[in-house]
Amino acid sequence: GAGVSQSPSNKVTEKGKDVELRCDPISGHTALYWYRQSLGQGLEFLIYFQGNSAPDKSGLPSDRFSAERTGGSVSTLTIQRTQQEDSAVYLCASSLVTGSEQFFGPGTRLTVL
Amino acid sequence: AQSVSQHNHHVILSEAASLELGCNYSYGGTVNLFWYVQYPGQHLQLLLKYFSGDPLVKGIKGFEAEFIKSKFSFNLRKPSVQWSDTAEYFCAVNSRSGGSYIPTFGRGTSLIVHP
Repeated sequence: GAGVSQSPSNKVTEKGKDVELRCDPISGHTALYWYRQSLGQGLEFLIYFQGNSAPDKSGLPSDRFSAERTGGSVSTLTIQRTQQEDSAVYLCASSLVTGSEQFFGPGTRLTVL
Repeated sequence: AQSVSQHNHHVILSEAASLELGCNYSYGGTVNLFWYVQYPGQHLQLLLKYFSGDPLVKGIKGFEAEFIKSKFSFNLRKPSVQWSDTAEYFCAVNSRSGGSYIPTFGRGTSLIVHP
């Protein structure tokens, strides 16, 4: 079946603009995660959705970052008033249930000029 | 908060050499442990996982890892590496918090295998 997909694959934006990144998880997976991957920094956990529960937003670096997951499926990560330090690869992953292995998408490379 | 340490950031080996990548996490409780691999130009994918049972787990491509609870460690090993093992390796710990698991990843280890 189809894996996790993300769009766009690349996004170049100007400082101060808002961006939206999309994630389509594997059908039937109840958990969805967003991460940020910077060079040499590993994966930084941002936010986690589990079923219909309130998301765990503990990893969001500032209030400029938000995410939603509609209908328990597609998720959108929004970054408002982008800054140059937001430049990174944003990865989405889903898992069948919380705690199980994660399946990753290809990522969105965000460049803020 | 949970933290995951990968001791080797860059490893360079020749083919047929043995590999061991260290991974330690900061505190116990209920954890699920993973190693993920990212080959050049590909997605992150699961290499192996440990939830419970035999602390020596085997994964794909001849990799194995040993969970040592007393040392909070989950080191990755392979007896004889191949050029195709060149990749970035990430250790991950899912820590139980209430009714869910929160993931924490290490910084990753870049492995280069020379033919």
